[in-house]
Amino acid sequence: GQQVMQIPQYQHVQEGEDFTTYCNSSTTLSNIQWYKQRPGGHPVFLIQLVKSGEVKKQKRLTFQFGEAKKNSSLHITATQTTDVGTYFCAGVYFGNEKLTFGTGTRLTIIP
Amino acid sequence: EADIYQTPRYLVIGTGKKITLECSQTMGHDKMYWYQQDPGMELHLIHYSYGVNSTEKGDLSSESTVSRIRTEHFPLTLESARPSHTSQYLCATRRRTGDTGELFFGEGSRLTVL
Repeated sequence: GQQVMQIPQYQHVQEGEDFTTYCNSSTTLSNIQWYKQRPGGHPVFLIQLVKSGEVKKQKRLTFQFGEAKKNSSLHITATQTTDVGTYFCAGVYFGNEKLTFGTGTRLTIIP
Repeated sequence: EADIYQTPRYLVIGTGKKITLECSQTMGHDKMYWYQQDPGMELHLIHYSYGVNSTEKGDLSSESTVSRIRTEHFPLTLESARPSHTSQYLCATRRRTGDTGELFFGEGSRLTVL
């Protein structure tokens, strides 16, 4: 079946350190989306990547889509306590409009 | 700001009870989804709808059922709740734009079955 693997499952960082989470699919994706879920909250859309090799930035967040459109990453520079939460990638496969969510990476910040 | 409303937010019930989780949206989106999520875990799609009178089962088998009689309303029903149904249920919508477009989530319904 179509699966999106996400690593690491957990990440604990000191405030100010960088953080990266990775998503991988065995099958080429049409596009990939990223969501953030705060503790006790619901997922909130961050960004969508569609083009091969695409890189997008939102302030301290950098999103990349691999050349083969099989992997993606989210990098946060100089983490802050407001970055706490679980980050999910969600892939869309060609011919299938549904989103397949990754397992998520839970980020905790040590002040 | 997404306008998706889920009720109840929290529900504690006994085994064997029938429950309906409500989801309403005011955005006029055709696509609606139900996800099940255990605490700290990934989201599993259990039902989706691409429009009125259209419902499909998702990737995770679920004993729940859904209906889509009106565009703005997508309720989920469990005929006989069991402890294994304890989870958070998230409703989401999406504009009909092919395979792109983000999901807008409601705040979720946290169900506990004793």
